[in-house]
Amino acid sequence: GDSVTQMEGPVTLSEEAFLTINCTYTATGYPSLFWYVQYPGEGLQLLLKATKADDKGSNKGFEATYRKETTSFHLEKGSVQVSDSAVYFCASSSASKIIFGSGTRLSIRP
Amino acid sequence: ETGVTQTPRHLVMGMTNKKSLKCEQHLGHNAMYWYKQSAKKPLELMFVYSLEERVENNSVPSRFSPECPNSSHLFLHLHTLQPEDSALYLCASSQVLTGRLSGANVLTFGAGSRLTVL
Repeated sequence: GDSVTQMEGPVTLSEEAFLTINCTYTATGYPSLFWYVQYPGEGLQLLLKATKADDKGSNKGFEATYRKETTSFHLEKGSVQVSDSAVYFCASSSASKIIFGSGTRLSIRP
Repeated sequence: ETGVTQTPRHLVMGMTNKKSLKCEQHLGHNAMYWYKQSAKKPLELMFVYSLEERVENNSVPSRFSPECPNSSHLFLHLHTLQPEDSALYLCASSQVLTGRLSGANVLTFGAGSRLTVL
């Protein structure tokens, strides 16, 4: 069946470090791919999305590229800030299914 | 109010109690969802209501009962819960253009209801 696998956390980085959070998916067909972010005490909110192969989603300095050949959608940011501390969820959506990964907790040290 | 509002934000109940979680969306969306968020587990889709269909996760126990009286309101009725049901319950909504779940479906989430079952 369809699934989403993302790297386990927690991930702890210093401010201004480079960030990568890996995400791979399995799906029948060609899903849309998403990254959602959950700040403390809040629900999930959409960070970025890509709907077809080679699309790049970007928002707030974060980027992810839809790679069909490697079935991946890795999240990257060149210079993280303390305010980026949150839980990040990769998700896949196709037909009647929306599937989330288990989330990666990110903590940024000042 | 705007967005998706969930009440109560925190709920503590005994195993013999009956309670309900409420969700209201002010976005004009036509689909609403209940998700269960437990520590170190993927978000679990429990129920979906859209204009044309109700979709259930067959693994959800019958002690959870959803109700969607209209496109703006969604309830989750709880009865005889177990301690392992303690979790964050998230409501979400989306606009499904064709009335069937779409691959590019973007969800808007509420802040969640934190449930503790004693």
